[in-house]
Amino acid sequence: EVVMTQSPATLSASPGDRVTLSCRASQSVSNNLAWYRQKPGLPPRLLVYDASTRVPVIPARFSGSGSGTEFALTISSLQSEDFAVYYCQQYDKWPFTFGPGTKVDF
Amino acid sequence: QGLLVESGGGVVQPGRSLSLSCAASGFSFSDYAMHWVRQAPGKGLEWVAFISHDGIEKLSTDSVKGRFTISRDDSKNTLHLQMNSLRPEDTAVYYCATGGDYGDYYFDSWGQGTLVTVSS
Repeated sequence: EVVMTQSPATLSASPGDRVTLSCRASQSVSNNLAWYRQKPGLPPRLLVYDASTRVPVIPARFSGSGSGTEFALTISSLQSEDFAVYYCQQYDKWPFTFGPGTKVDF
Repeated sequence: QGLLVESGGGVVQPGRSLSLSCAASGFSFSDYAMHWVRQAPGKGLEWVAFISHDGIEKLSTDSVKGRFTISRDDSKNTLHLQMNSLRPEDTAVYYCATGGDYGDYYFDSWGQGTLVTVSS
């Protein structure tokens, strides 16, 4: 099983900040990596797939990068709705696995 | 894509069975692979099961293998998860999700989830 780790576990930031969330895979997953944002009480929402392809309805302030074992999600200017938990997920190898999440808060 | 609505959750005793459904609307259900993903209270996300768009390929995580069965009824635009021999550790919100437009194995659209509680 591919083990996904995320850092930091919690990130304290302010509106307008630029933040970068990290995700690491225990073995190469090529570019088969997705990012999700989950707000409290709501289902996750897909932000990025194939490591760097942003879902069309997602704002351009979100960008994904990386390949192999090291990945990042950058939010260029935090908005109030971005204070949430972010998960990475690999889909290169079954079982598909998620990281433990990074909580972005004030 | 469109709308996904899960149903069938509830409280069940260990060892008993429960069947979840996910009604899809607003998109061509038969064109998409489908998944079940769960989230234990206060915890992270765990992929549970996958079914291909044509229903031929099915995958599930090891912890539910032999107990949970995923299926689909394209005539009713509905995804199912039959859960047998339930355990307390199966307690979670269960989400159905579509595969993506350009890949089957990430999760594009999600339902609101249905809570399954396994407790005596």
